Amino acid sequence: QVQVQESGPGLVKPSETLSLTCIVSGGSMSSSSHYWGWVRQPPGKGLQWIGCISHRGNTYYNPSLKSRVNISVDTSKSRFSLKVPSVTAADTAIYFCARTRGGRDAFDLWGQGTLVTVSS
Amino acid sequence: DIQMTQSPSTLSASVGDRVTITCRASQTIYKWLAWYQQKPGQSPRLLIRDTSVLESGVPSRFGGSGSGTEFTLTINGLQPDDFATYFCQKYNDYWMFGQGTKVE
Repeated sequence: QVQVQESGPGLVKPSETLSLTCIVSGGSMSSSSHYWGWVRQPPGKGLQWIGCISHRGNTYYNPSLKSRVNISVDTSKSRFSLKVPSVTAADTAIYFCARTRGGRDAFDLWGQGTLVTVSS
Repeated sequence: DIQMTQSPSTLSASVGDRVTITCRASQTIYKWLAWYQQKPGQSPRLLIRDTSVLESGVPSRFGGSGSGTEFTLTINGLQPDDFATYFCQKYNDYWMFGQGTKVE
């Protein structure tokens, strides 16, 4: 059974880069038609889609975040990653990685989420 | 950019009630809409995709309808386990969530 799990530091200093990795286990990323994505949720608030990537490396970003984020994939290691440079307190959130059912589709598989706090 | 407007933001209900949540898109998204349930401390759970298709394991008291720009999530006979926050999401070109509806 495929699972996804976020990993990365829980505390990042302002102006530094937030880096998270999502490990995909129980299945291969290489031949799948799924897209792999990141969603964040500031404490007590709603969900914000950050972006998605295909196993071929095609990326799709939230227009409001496009200039600030980068998503990459390494299918050989069954993982994909998120980088957000120059973070501020507004980037404090629970970050979820997720998988779509296939292509541009709903997210049917979610990680448990990881809280990232931006603070000095 | 297409905007997603979900209403109400909070809904007070009792066990057994019929609950309706609305999601509106600023432009047509055809049928490409999903509904998620999220409980405190948990990840979202996909309930409905393609406007009205129930995911496996989702109770039949949940239903989705609509098309184009207006969509509805209905819960027929609210159960104690249904008190949660619900989000709509479009995925016709890129993805976007509604603001959420807390059912309390």
